[in-house]
Amino acid sequence: SSELTQDPAVSVALGQTVRITCQGDSLRSYYASWYQQKPGQAPVLVIYGKNNRPSGIPDRFSGSSSGNTTSLTITGAQAEDEADYYCNSRDSSGIWVFGGGTKLTVL
Amino acid sequence: QLQLQESGPGLVKPSETLSLTCTVSGGSISSSSYYWGWIRQPPGKGLEWIGSFYYSGSTYYNPSLKSRLTISVDTSKNQFSLKVNSVTAADTAVYYCARHFRYCSGTSCYYGFDYWGQGTLVTVSS
Repeated sequence: SSELTQDPAVSVALGQTVRITCQGDSLRSYYASWYQQKPGQAPVLVIYGKNNRPSGIPDRFSGSSSGNTTSLTITGAQAEDEADYYCNSRDSSGIWVFGGGTKLTVL
Repeated sequence: QLQLQESGPGLVKPSETLSLTCTVSGGSISSSSYYWGWIRQPPGKGLEWIGSFYYSGSTYYNPSLKSRLTISVDTSKNQFSLKVNSVTAADTAVYYCARHFRYCSGTSCYYGFDYWGQGTLVTVSS
């Protein structure tokens, strides 16, 4: 199966650490990438590969993976991190899939 | 700085063909390092990958849409296009074009969509 499953919503207190997870069979073979999307804006790549951040992404964003689960961790969440987060990965036939998205609320 | 810009009609009638073009500036779509793709997002919903192509001609389509899709390339204009046939209200969405990279180090390859257009809303309605 090429499906990726995410929790619909997660909340975190300001300054605390939050982990957003993504599960799928394809993650056993391929690394995921993670995207942040704020209302009315295009998604922004925040993590790709094992744990790589594009230029300009704060180091409080990190990634990890184990088995069929990949995680995005925000250490010391800020108010500006409130957004929707999507994972994405491929399968062996070159088909790409996005997870359903997780709405992060910073309290 | 790479920039992508979607263009096309914002309103399409049911059963007709949705046509969008993505114009790339600041880089070449013939680069061997990148794929180029389309992603859409229905109002209030999540992202859906539509399809991607590689400059050499390989094209990959979402199986759920494949029978209605065509992605084509005009390297002379540094543009690529999307056509979706026989549209219904379910095709109403913000459509994004994006650069799709593949980076390999050792035995591992990493992928991601690193540059996105601003998106264009296409509404299917009579």
